Amino acid sequence: AQSVTQLGSHVSVSEGALVLLRCNYSSSVPPYLFWYVQYPNQGLQLLLKYTTGATLVKGINGFEAEFKKSETSFHLTKPSAHMSDAAEYFCAVKDRGTSYGKLTFGQGTILTVHP
Amino acid sequence: DGGITQSPKYLFRKEGQNVTLSCEQNLNHDAMYWYRQDPGQGLRLIYYSQIVNDFQKGDIAEGYSVSREKKESFPLTVTSAQKNPTAFYLCASSTPRTEMGGYTFGSGTRLTVV
Repeated sequence: AQSVTQLGSHVSVSEGALVLLRCNYSSSVPPYLFWYVQYPNQGLQLLLKYTTGATLVKGINGFEAEFKKSETSFHLTKPSAHMSDAAEYFCAVKDRGTSYGKLTFGQGTILTVHP
Repeated sequence: DGGITQSPKYLFRKEGQNVTLSCEQNLNHDAMYWYRQDPGQGLRLIYYSQIVNDFQKGDIAEGYSVSREKKESFPLTVTSAQKNPTAFYLCASSTPRTEMGGYTFGSGTRLTVV
């Protein structure tokens, strides 16, 4: 079964600093890969996704992620953190080739941004 | 605007009671999902439905039940058999045309046992 590991349940950065949230998946066949953001007491919003093609994917709010097959990773980055980026972030995967493939989520990483 | 509506936003349940969480979508999506979220555990799949009148158990279905009588609606009942129901519940939907785009999520229902 697919599994997703997010390294670090809490990440704290200063405003203006680099944000790096780590995600590794387990399958030998690269799945579809997603990053979602969740603000307190709200649903999940899609930040970006990787399906095929260019391995560096740009998303909303200045975030980007790079798919590295050799490392089975899909780490999320942002060059300069804003206070508004404080939220919980989830990496998720879905098997390719299925019409209704289930999303499997990582444990989540809470990002704190301090002034 | 199209989207998913979950109600109520906050729900309190007494021990031994069944409660039903509502999920309605007007996106014309075929598939719908229920996830449970607990701190530090990510999202865990409870039930999902790919078509009306059909649904499958997810990873943590015990103590829950669902129905899918209409394409737009996928209510979740938390029964008294669920021993630890306090959690945040999220409903989502998808369609083959958007499969590579992931799911659309509702804003969630926070259930608390009192």
